[in-house]
Amino acid sequence: SQTIHQWPATLVQPVGSPLSLECTVEGTSNPNLYWYRQAAGRGLQLLFYSVGIGQISSEVPQNLSASRPQDRQFILSSKKLLLSDSGFYLCAWSITGTVNQPQHFGDGTRLSIL
Amino acid sequence: GENVEQHPSTLSVQEGDSAVIKCTYSDSASNYFPWYKQELGKRPQLIIDIRSNVGEKKDQRIAVTLNKTAKHFSLHITETQPEDSAVYFCAATEWTGNMLTFGGGTRLMVKP
Repeated sequence: SQTIHQWPATLVQPVGSPLSLECTVEGTSNPNLYWYRQAAGRGLQLLFYSVGIGQISSEVPQNLSASRPQDRQFILSSKKLLLSDSGFYLCAWSITGTVNQPQHFGDGTRLSIL
Repeated sequence: GENVEQHPSTLSVQEGDSAVIKCTYSDSASNYFPWYKQELGKRPQLIIDIRSNVGEKKDQRIAVTLNKTAKHFSLHITETQPEDSAVYFCAATEWTGNMLTFGGGTRLMVKP
């Protein structure tokens, strides 16, 4: 069966510091991958999605970037964090090659910026 | 692009009562409509979904109905229990079928 792993689970970073969050999927090949951000008590905002290695689409302009160096690895990065980057970051995957499929979420990373 | 509106934003019911959450969408090309349940501090989990070729789908106490003409779909929870308390999100696919647009969420509180 497929599993998705995100780490770290929680992270406290100072303003201006860099960021790297990692997500990996097991048990499937060439999944669609997604990064979402969820502010406290709010909905899900799609940040990036990828349909293959090196293919990244950005939904919201910001100081974050994403990379997909391997088939089942998705990384969210920032060179300099802002206070507004605080939130709950969720990685998700879906089956590729067939449209209209559910997305399955990882356990998330709770990021606090001080 | 797709726009999904979800109502109500909060819903409080007594244990054993039914709960209904409604969503409307804008893109007539949308064909897939999942519902997620998110408990406090946890990840959203898929609880039920429906595709456009079906008008209703049921799984034990949970059911989803879809009206493609009116572009709205609803989640129905019967015989609610305290463990049903959570935030529920509806979603709809955009035209490529690869991305989901989520509603704003409904906080359901089931009082024992």
